[in-house]
Amino acid sequence: AQSVTQLDSHVSVSEGTPVLLRCNYSSSYSPSLFWYVQHPNKGLQLLLKYTSAATLVKGINGFEAEFKKSETSFHLTKPSAHMSDAAEYFCVVIASGRDDKIIFGKGTRLHILP
Amino acid sequence: GAGVSQSPRYKVAKRGQDVALRCDPISGHVSLFWYQQALGQGPEFLTYFQNEAQLDKSGLPSDRFFAERPEGSVSTLKIQRTQQEDSAVYLCASSKEVNTEAFFGQGTRLTV
Repeated sequence: AQSVTQLDSHVSVSEGTPVLLRCNYSSSYSPSLFWYVQHPNKGLQLLLKYTSAATLVKGINGFEAEFKKSETSFHLTKPSAHMSDAAEYFCVVIASGRDDKIIFGKGTRLHILP
Repeated sequence: GAGVSQSPRYKVAKRGQDVALRCDPISGHVSLFWYQQALGQGPEFLTYFQNEAQLDKSGLPSDRFFAERPEGSVSTLKIQRTQQEDSAVYLCASSKEVNTEAFFGQGTRLTV
């Protein structure tokens, strides 16, 4: 069975400083991993995805994530935070097996301090 | 349409009332998912269709919840005898193929 753990429920950073949102996964099969962002009263938007190609994945709005199999991690980073990045971020796993459920982490709320 | 469409966007129901929530996936998408998102929580899996087949309904919280996708496109999530704990945003997502990225609708906010 697969699962996703987002290690921080809240992260606060100052505008212009780096962002790190942590995610660890567990999967019996080769996983596909995603990060989604949800702004208040908005739908879920795909930021980036890993599907067994390059381990460093670039997404929209300057976000990146690195798949590290040895650490079972898929942390999301951005070099310089912007006020508009304030939102809820979800790490998501889909296992490539019979069970095709999309499993969400509990989410990390990112606060940007002026 | 270009994206996943859900209706209604908002629904207020009295306790005990039946409700039906509709999802129009992106045309041609094989997979369709329903999720329940309580306030301040991440989306929780409810059920999954591949075309018209409901392959997994393990996340449905009780037998008051029922989902269907009879022709492999539009899906309806029905909740019978709604209870206060059913209040949540119900999200629908579709994906083109198995294990590819899912596109989410705006959700239906249900208040009981």
